Amino acid sequence: NAGVTQTPKFRVLKTGQSMTLLCAQDMNHEYMYWYRQDPGMGLRLIHYSVGEGTTAKGEVPDGYNVSRLKKQNFLLGLESAAPSQTSVYFCASSYLGFQETQYFGPGTRLLVL
Amino acid sequence: KQEVTQIPAALSVPEGENLVLNCSFTDSAIYNLQWFRQDPGKGLTSLLLIQSSQREQTSGRLNASLDKSSGRSTLYIAASQPGDSATYLCAVRLMIQGAQKLVFGQGTRLTINP
Repeated sequence: NAGVTQTPKFRVLKTGQSMTLLCAQDMNHEYMYWYRQDPGMGLRLIHYSVGEGTTAKGEVPDGYNVSRLKKQNFLLGLESAAPSQTSVYFCASSYLGFQETQYFGPGTRLLVL
Repeated sequence: KQEVTQIPAALSVPEGENLVLNCSFTDSAIYNLQWFRQDPGKGLTSLLLIQSSQREQTSGRLNASLDKSSGRSTLYIAASQPGDSATYLCAVRLMIQGAQKLVFGQGTRLTINP
């Protein structure tokens, strides 16, 4: 039981490049989330999913897209990276939504030059 | 707009002391409040979750209280140990514009000195 895993752990991009962050969970959770963590800003919700095939916007969705084609995977895409997207990205999952404990992945550090 | 504040931003205490971390929020219409710990370079680990109808939750040496009317929560750590050194985050769940959100504080960085 690996819990929540994220790929890659670290990435450097140039402005305008694209990339996809992968989140996988093996706990059969319905809900999955993507957050970004910035110094002085705390964690902020980017997008979330309440089940396979669904996505919803969070607090800071602009510049990101997501997909939940399989229940166990939640992908976060950056189509044209900007320096403002330099951050640490965390994925999380929970069984029945925000009222339950969320389990977090180890994070992906992204640097956009 | 819901704001979650944690004071102090950093705290350093000798091993063995009991300590209290504070979390305040501006909108009392919350569904629940969670305390997390985050170790350097790692993800978040949930410590305690308090539903809005509850006053406190306990797990081992940890006790979290919630006072919705005053917009405050505290995390009490008894007999602190060096292994407790981490950043502690609180987060409140609420509804914003018809959607559920989890709003985080910026955290308190705790150092327990041997």
